[in-house]
Amino acid sequence: DQQVKQNSPSLSVQEGRISILNCDYTNSMFDYFLWYKKYPAEGPTFLISISSIKDKNEDGRFTVFLNKSAKHLSLHIVPSQPGDSAVYFCAASEEMEEKLTFGTGTRLTIIP
Amino acid sequence: DSGVTQTPKHLITATGQRVTLRCSPRSGDLSVYWYQQSLDQGLQFLIQYYNGEERAKGNILERFSAQQFPDLHSELNLSSLELGDSALYFCASSPGQANTEAFFGQGTRLTVV
Repeated sequence: DQQVKQNSPSLSVQEGRISILNCDYTNSMFDYFLWYKKYPAEGPTFLISISSIKDKNEDGRFTVFLNKSAKHLSLHIVPSQPGDSAVYFCAASEEMEEKLTFGTGTRLTIIP
Repeated sequence: DSGVTQTPKHLITATGQRVTLRCSPRSGDLSVYWYQQSLDQGLQFLIQYYNGEERAKGNILERFSAQQFPDLHSELNLSSLELGDSALYFCASSPGQANTEAFFGQGTRLTVV
């Protein structure tokens, strides 16, 4: 049972435009959400997180939105840059100290 | 460079064999986590150690075991290997017990033939 789903395996976006990556979850006990970025031959790197008491968290070009009623979160990257080309994983946990459940990832390609 | 070191980077072995994957956490980190990423799958949490003690267990097979040593490095032992065990195995570390914002190593790619 896939509790965290990233339904788009890949996404291509023009440089300078907005990239929107989506993630859905089924476990209503999840209350902490994270996005990781992964380049080839490297491990995932933490990007941004959000707790369930918020609906938005911003860090530079990256913003994560959480819609608890829809069990949906999204990552917005504005403006998109070539260096953003990577695989993005969303992850969730029931508490900050509990295990992470990852989605299957979305490969983002930024077109120059 | 995340500061988490995994060895070896690549490993090819035959079915039925046993292998050991090694992880050195970032300096000062007490928690070590192991994840498995099979083809087209997300990272599956296997197990967490905190300061030498097992803290959390995920979808880890009985053929797999892990431990964390007094110097805080960790080893993941995989035995009676099957073709389906071929995957990327990641280790991550964090200062405390919270696995959020953990730092990941580059992974060990295991191929079972």
